[in-house]
Amino acid sequence: DQQVKQNSPSLSVQEGRISILNCDYTNSMFDYFLWYKKYPAEGPTFLISISSIKDKNEDGRFTVFLNKSAKHLSLHIVPSQPGDSAVYFCAASPNNAGNMLTFGGGTRLMVKP
Amino acid sequence: KAGVTQTPRYLIKTRGQQVTLSCSPISGHRSVSWYQQTPGQGLQFLFEYFSETQRNKGNFPGRFSGRQFSNSRSEMNVSTLELGDSALYLCASSLRTGGNEKLFFGSGTQLSVL
Repeated sequence: DQQVKQNSPSLSVQEGRISILNCDYTNSMFDYFLWYKKYPAEGPTFLISISSIKDKNEDGRFTVFLNKSAKHLSLHIVPSQPGDSAVYFCAASPNNAGNMLTFGGGTRLMVKP
Repeated sequence: KAGVTQTPRYLIKTRGQQVTLSCSPISGHRSVSWYQQTPGQGLQFLFEYFSETQRNKGNFPGRFSGRQFSNSRSEMNVSTLELGDSALYLCASSLRTGGNEKLFFGSGTQLSVL
């Protein structure tokens, strides 16, 4: 039972345009959500997070939106750059569960020059 | 500040053997978590240690075990290796446990079981 799903395994975007990566979850106990970026042969790198008390968090070119009623979050990257090409994972954690993250399957983003 | 360090980087073992992987967290971080990444199952939580105590455990068989030392360094052990244990094993550290912590990951140990 996949509690965190990223339904698009890949996404191709032109440089300078917006990239939108989506993530759905089923567990109502999740209250903290993160996005990680991963290059081949490296560990995931933290990008941005959002707590369930918010519906938006912004950090430079990256914005995460959370829709609790739909159990959906999305990551917007504006403008997209070729260096953003990587696999993006969303992850979720319930309150009081330590640092136990449940990850989605990842979306491979390709930004074309 | 040095990042999370995992050793060895690559490892080849045969079925039935056992293996020990090592993780040194970022200085000052007291929580260490382990994750397994495979093409089929994605990133899955193995366990988390905080102050030398296992705080959480994922849904893995008892062949997978770990420990944390007083300096926060951690090891994980897999006994009686199976072909399906071939994976990238990632270690992550954070200052505290819970409380919406960011996890910082190492580059992982790529384990191949032949």
